[in-house]
Amino acid sequence: AQKITQTQPGMFVQEKEAVTLDCTYDTSDPSYGLFWYKQPSSGEMIFLIYQGSYDQQNATEGRYSLNFQKARKSANLVISASQLGDSAMYFCAMREAFTMYSGGGADGLTFGKGTHLIIQP
Amino acid sequence: DVKVTQSSRYLVKRTGEKVFLECVQDMDHENMFWYRQDPGLGLRLIYFSYDVKMKEKGDIPEGYSVSREKKERFSLILESASTNQTSMYLCASSSLGANYGYTFGSGTRLTVV
Repeated sequence: AQKITQTQPGMFVQEKEAVTLDCTYDTSDPSYGLFWYKQPSSGEMIFLIYQGSYDQQNATEGRYSLNFQKARKSANLVISASQLGDSAMYFCAMREAFTMYSGGGADGLTFGKGTHLIIQP
Repeated sequence: DVKVTQSSRYLVKRTGEKVFLECVQDMDHENMFWYRQDPGLGLRLIYFSYDVKMKEKGDIPEGYSVSREKKERFSLILESASTNQTSMYLCASSSLGANYGYTFGSGTRLTVV
């Protein structure tokens, strides 16, 4: 089963509109972290925002906020007032504490397949 | 400014060549990772290392090996490059802990001809 699901392969949005990028996750670990990364056409992966599983409040970083709905296992990224420079691939990722310490399998982040966001003028 | 540096941005190699991709981080991170990224397939983990001289296979280790002789450096080796290894290769590092994300290098676009 997919641990991270991003259901929107691509999105077109008008400049200045708000954007919501969907992400659902699957884990039985009570302690985990959720991350969003941006990848422009140049290729580098840029960290945007982090949400811990025990955080009571939704994370915010400037124009980025994370709509964390724990019961629904949902961690949507919201970009307010979109700009042309927001056009990029966006990846949702999860890191589980138990997997990290269990000694088996690959430690670290599990990534979704990404959403290609295009901001139109 | 903390940084993960990949030695080459673009690389073209011939089939059968031995290829080294170098990655250096200056954050004293324990964990280092190599991913490849292909359209429609997302990021796939090749190998990772949680300490000097330690390495673990990821999801697609076949055709690759790694070396971590020093904490700051993690090398990916293509023993005999093939055309199906043409891809974007991303190196990353992180501290231990579920609340730590990765810091990525800027990537190496490798073409094998």
